[in-house]
Amino acid sequence: DTAVSQTPKYLVTQMGNDKSIKCEQNLGHDTMYWYKQDSKKFLKIMFSYNNKELIINETVPNRFSPKSPDKAHLNLHINSLELGDSAVYFCASSRGFRTEAFFGQGTRLTVV
Amino acid sequence: KNEVEQSPQNLTAQEGEFITINCSYSVGISALHWLQQHPGGGIVSLFMLSSGKKKHGRLIATINIQEKHSSLHITASHPRDSAVYICAVNGDSNYQLIWGAGTKLIIKP
Repeated sequence: DTAVSQTPKYLVTQMGNDKSIKCEQNLGHDTMYWYKQDSKKFLKIMFSYNNKELIINETVPNRFSPKSPDKAHLNLHINSLELGDSAVYFCASSRGFRTEAFFGQGTRLTVV
Repeated sequence: KNEVEQSPQNLTAQEGEFITINCSYSVGISALHWLQQHPGGGIVSLFMLSSGKKKHGRLIATINIQEKHSSLHITASHPRDSAVYICAVNGDSNYQLIWGAGTKLIIKP
């Protein structure tokens, strides 16, 4: 069974649309994260959730919003998509902060 | 200057060679991670270290806290080891992972 799963794997959409990327972990972890990997392959943290509370909210546009219906899920909603949002987005989870993180396979978002 | 620096940025080697990838950091840390990103994009955690040395199969990771340096070694390298290897640290003063830019490794048969 996949420990951290993201859907969809690929997402192509037009500018201005609203889209969501789902993430689920079956590891019983308390902390989940969303990362954005830019064109230079550099990973930047966007959000992290610990026990359903947003702990870190980096300076990302408020068009991005994380939604955690329960401890096992952290979905990423993006409103009014822009060309610059095109990137690979990774979900991850860990038992807590400063513990080993397990990553999803990533979602390649292309905004056209 | 990035807080986490990796070297080299790119490394091409022949199958069987001993590989070393270095990571230096300038902040106090509570843990250091080595991760592997496959050509298809997936990321896998290889090691988490706070001191000393760890070994999994052909992979060895070491950390020197005093020198703020870690190395990832691959023995008897194989083309399937071709990937991007990323170093990341948990800072003392915050909960974020601070990422290195990655080392792209290509192992030729």
